[in-house]
Amino acid sequence: ETGVTQTPRHLVMGMTNKKSLKCEQHLGHNAMYWYKQSAKKPLELMFVYSLEERVENNSVPSRFSPECPNSSHLFLHLHTLQPEDSALYLCASSQDHVSGGELFFGEGSRLTVL
Amino acid sequence: TQLLEQSPQFLSIQEGENLTVYCNSSSVFSSLQWYRQEPGEGPVLLVTVVTGGEVKKLKRLTFQFGDARKDSSLHITAAQPGDTGLYLCAGEYNFNKFYFGSGTKLNVKP
Repeated sequence: ETGVTQTPRHLVMGMTNKKSLKCEQHLGHNAMYWYKQSAKKPLELMFVYSLEERVENNSVPSRFSPECPNSSHLFLHLHTLQPEDSALYLCASSQDHVSGGELFFGEGSRLTVL
Repeated sequence: TQLLEQSPQFLSIQEGENLTVYCNSSSVFSSLQWYRQEPGEGPVLLVTVVTGGEVKKLKRLTFQFGDARKDSSLHITAAQPGDTGLYLCAGEYNFNKFYFGSGTKLNVKP
């Protein structure tokens, strides 16, 4: 138990569906992240929220839309995805710091796009 | 995107052997982390190194941060089957930006 909970753990969707991934952290952190993990590729940083403001959007297609309503919750809204978007989506949180940051990850949401 | 290269990508060894995993970049990082990930789970932090030249030990694991804060190594002594997993290095670039290497998949055979 890392203190970061992701739901659902598994999701299968068609290319025309709209779905959302949810992340909740119980660690009192003030920064949250979405990463994408595909086979044979490094974890890709998608979005960073710090104090509920988006501070990083790493050239992610607009079919992925993040939302951070408060410092404990993070969503990733999915719309008209492509099969190549199938991957493990990992949420993480951290506490703002001067140096030596540490990410705490959830167990991930395994997404399959048909 | 800040590129970190990890080597080797795959490592299969016998229980009791020693191994070293490397993480290299052309960028300077304010800190560097090592994580271990098991199938079906998210990465779990092993260590954070901050100061150039820093060495940290965690039981049989030794972590080193390069003097220029561009590279790092993870050395495991007398590997155990429980050490099997995906080892990831991550460099912190600017504030709250963590970029990951491609990982080293370690298999320790009993």
